[in-house]
Amino acid sequence: EAGVAQSPRYKIIEKRQSVAFWCNPISGHATLYWYQQILGQGPKLLIQFQNNGVVDDSQLPKDRFSAERLKGVDSTLKIQPAKLEDSAVYLCASSLSILDTQYFGPGTRLTVL
Amino acid sequence: DQQVKQNSPSLSVQEGRISILNCDYTNSMFDYFLWYKKYPAEGPTFLISISSIKDKNEDGRFTVFLNKSAKHLSLHIVPSQPGDSAVYFCAASGGSQGNLIFGKGTKLSVKP
Repeated sequence: EAGVAQSPRYKIIEKRQSVAFWCNPISGHATLYWYQQILGQGPKLLIQFQNNGVVDDSQLPKDRFSAERLKGVDSTLKIQPAKLEDSAVYLCASSLSILDTQYFGPGTRLTVL
Repeated sequence: DQQVKQNSPSLSVQEGRISILNCDYTNSMFDYFLWYKKYPAEGPTFLISISSIKDKNEDGRFTVFLNKSAKHLSLHIVPSQPGDSAVYFCAASGGSQGNLIFGKGTKLSVKP
């Protein structure tokens, strides 16, 4: 069974530029999560989707971050404009449904210069 | 304020011995706890979990113990193997949305 796919794996941008990350969850998984992991910290939830609806985006900095899951499968996370403190690994995870085990992708390492 | 704490940033153990990783939590609403393992340049991998209605769950070499009164859980790995060297994250959830709150992780090094 294919795991959670993410691209790109690495991205380097300058501050004030925009960037987008893509995630393809495990087939059949209704719930999709985006996490931010800053160096030395544990992953922190940014947004949770159930199919194409948002369940929780309380920790998403909405002035610069946006995410969508239009057809209830793939998802994109965008940052515009990026700040230095956005440098982190962005992890996508999926689960069969809410409360089921979450499976993580390899992450995208973002460096903002 | 950290709701899930892993107070040991690192742990070094000899191959074949027991590894014990600890985790404390502050939120009494948490009712489900998980351990994830993470290798460099990979995403976290689910390892083992425990519900708050249990005090122990075992899966092969891995056992998780939960002490609700102390708000403490631990992961035991017996025997430890060099391939177990990784960062281990404790996570907790509670409520209907299943959101996970992660600790900062403990880096385990198992020496041959």
